[in-house]
Amino acid sequence: SQTIHQWPATLVQPVGSPLSLECTVEGTSNPNLYWYRQAAGRGLQLLFYSVGIGQISSEVPQNLSASRPQDRQFILSSKKLLLSDSGFYLCAWSRTSGGYEQYFGPGTRLTVT
Amino acid sequence: GESVGLHLPTLSVQEGDNSIINCAYSNSASDYFIWYKQESGKGPQFIIDIRSNMDKRQGQRVTVLLNKTVKHLSLQIAATQPGDSAVYFCAERRGKLIFGQGTELSVKP
Repeated sequence: SQTIHQWPATLVQPVGSPLSLECTVEGTSNPNLYWYRQAAGRGLQLLFYSVGIGQISSEVPQNLSASRPQDRQFILSSKKLLLSDSGFYLCAWSRTSGGYEQYFGPGTRLTVT
Repeated sequence: GESVGLHLPTLSVQEGDNSIINCAYSNSASDYFIWYKQESGKGPQFIIDIRSNMDKRQGQRVTVLLNKTVKHLSLQIAATQPGDSAVYFCAERRGKLIFGQGTELSVKP
């Protein structure tokens, strides 16, 4: 079966510090990968998606970037965090064919102070 | 614009009753719809999906209804249990998944 991991689970970072959140998927090959941000427990905003290694599409202009160095690894980064970057970050994966459903990881709660 | 929306932000039901969570969408070109359940502090969990060529799909204790005429989607939960308390999101697919803002379901014992 497939599993998706995210770490860390929680993170408190000062404004201006760098960020690196990691997501890995097990039990599947060549998944589509996604980063979402969720504010105040409601609504998911798509930040980035990737259909393959090194292929990243950005949905909204922002202070964040994403990378996919390996097939089942997706990283969300920032060089300098802003207060507005606080939120719940969710990674998700979907199959490249056979269905559109996305499966979410447990999330990372980021607080920028 | 993106406009998958929910009719009610909160819903409170008695344990054992049936729950109905509604969702409106605006784009008739959407070809796929999905419901997620999100418990506090956790990632959304897939519940059930439906393609636009169907109008009803059933799962275990859940049924999704799709009315393309009025662009309306609903999730019915039979015999609601305390463990069903969560925020429920609908999403439509227009190339990517567009999520609604969620309905919080509260189950009273």
